[in-house]
Amino acid sequence: AQSVTQLDSHVSVSEGTPVLLRCNYSSSYSPSLFWYVQHPNKGLQLLLKYTSAATLVKGINGFEAEFKKSETSFHLTKPSAHMSDAAEYFCVVSDSNDYKLSFGAGTTVTVRA
Amino acid sequence: NAGVTQTPKFRILKIGQSMTLQCTQDMNHNYMYWYRQDPGMGLKLIYYSVGAGITDKGEVPNGYNVSRSTTEDFPLRLELAAPSQTSVYFCASSNLGNSPLHFGNGTRLTVT
Repeated sequence: AQSVTQLDSHVSVSEGTPVLLRCNYSSSYSPSLFWYVQHPNKGLQLLLKYTSAATLVKGINGFEAEFKKSETSFHLTKPSAHMSDAAEYFCVVSDSNDYKLSFGAGTTVTVRA
Repeated sequence: NAGVTQTPKFRILKIGQSMTLQCTQDMNHNYMYWYRQDPGMGLKLIYYSVGAGITDKGEVPNGYNVSRSTTEDFPLRLELAAPSQTSVYFCASSNLGNSPLHFGNGTRLTVT
């Protein structure tokens, strides 16, 4: 069975500064890993996914994440935060032989002007 | 392109009432899912389906039922609403088992 831990429940950054959202996972098999974003009163939207190709994954809106197997981590970063990045972010893991996904508890990002 | 459509957007139920949350997708996806989202808890899987006529329980199925008579539709039924079912419900679909999910915009349900 897989699980995921998002290490920060809330992150606050100034506009134009870097954003780091931390995610650790556990998985019995080769995992697929995803980051989703949820804006208020909306459904979740895929930011990026890792499925055993390149360990550095580029997503939409300038986000990227690095898969580190030795550290069982999949941290999400963005070099320069924008006001529109204020949202909740979810790290998600799925075992390669299981189509049920496990969601982290979420990280709320606040961007200060 | 509609994607995943959920209705209603909001609903208030009294304890003991029943209702059906509707979900339909127009992407011909085989896999469909129902999640509930509670503050600080992430999303929990209620039920899922890997194709028409096939459904199975997720992590938190108690108090809910589903059916999948067509590829497009995956309704979620609450038979005897309880305050613990107050939540935001999301329907999602995917093409393959490990493919990214496409989400609806959610149904916000309050049981009082």
